[in-house]
Amino acid sequence: KQEVTQIPAALSVPEGENLVLNCSFTDSAIYNLQWFRQDPGKGLTSLLLIQSSQREQTSGRLNASLDKSSGRSTLYIAASQPGDSATYLCAVRFTRGSTLGRLYFGRGTQLTVWP
Amino acid sequence: DTEVTQTPKHLVMGMTNKKSLKCEQHMGHRAMYWYKQKAKKPPELMFVYSYEKLSINESVPSRFSPECPNSSLLNLHLHALQPEDSALYLCASSQYNEQFFGPGTRLTVL
Repeated sequence: KQEVTQIPAALSVPEGENLVLNCSFTDSAIYNLQWFRQDPGKGLTSLLLIQSSQREQTSGRLNASLDKSSGRSTLYIAASQPGDSATYLCAVRFTRGSTLGRLYFGRGTQLTVWP
Repeated sequence: DTEVTQTPKHLVMGMTNKKSLKCEQHMGHRAMYWYKQKAKKPPELMFVYSYEKLSINESVPSRFSPECPNSSLLNLHLHALQPEDSALYLCASSQYNEQFFGPGTRLTVL
């Protein structure tokens, strides 16, 4: 059964800290992994997409890594800002059981960055 | 242009009403999705259209009826909903890699 788990469920940090959000998945046979940001009551914004052949992707202050063999991905946020406050969702497209691009979501990490 | 648009932003309806949600994308994506999201939960997949054909129906009650009139449009027709159907309804599209989501429709069923 394909499952995606995110730890921690919530995180509260002061502005300026570097932080790491964790995502783990049960099946190492993945097609890709996507990190999303969601503000309250809003849609999902795609942050980074990592293909199965890649080890990491970077966009500005964000860096996502992928270790398929251990079933883990991390999202690193450098120099956090209050505007980073949101829920971060990890979603995996598995090779098995993911026809038509079906994504399996974690429950998210709710991040609060205070000034 | 990586935008998926959804209308309306908010919808309040009674249990006997019929309404529709609309989703549109102009990225040439051939897969389109409807998700339902309850508060503090991840999105749950409802339907997947591939090349304008319904390919996945996640055992969704028949009071939800999807429609894909063309490759850019996706509708979700609502009839006789229950209060527990109140949620954020998200549309997404992809071309087999990155999935792009719309802003959602906040639905309240009274």
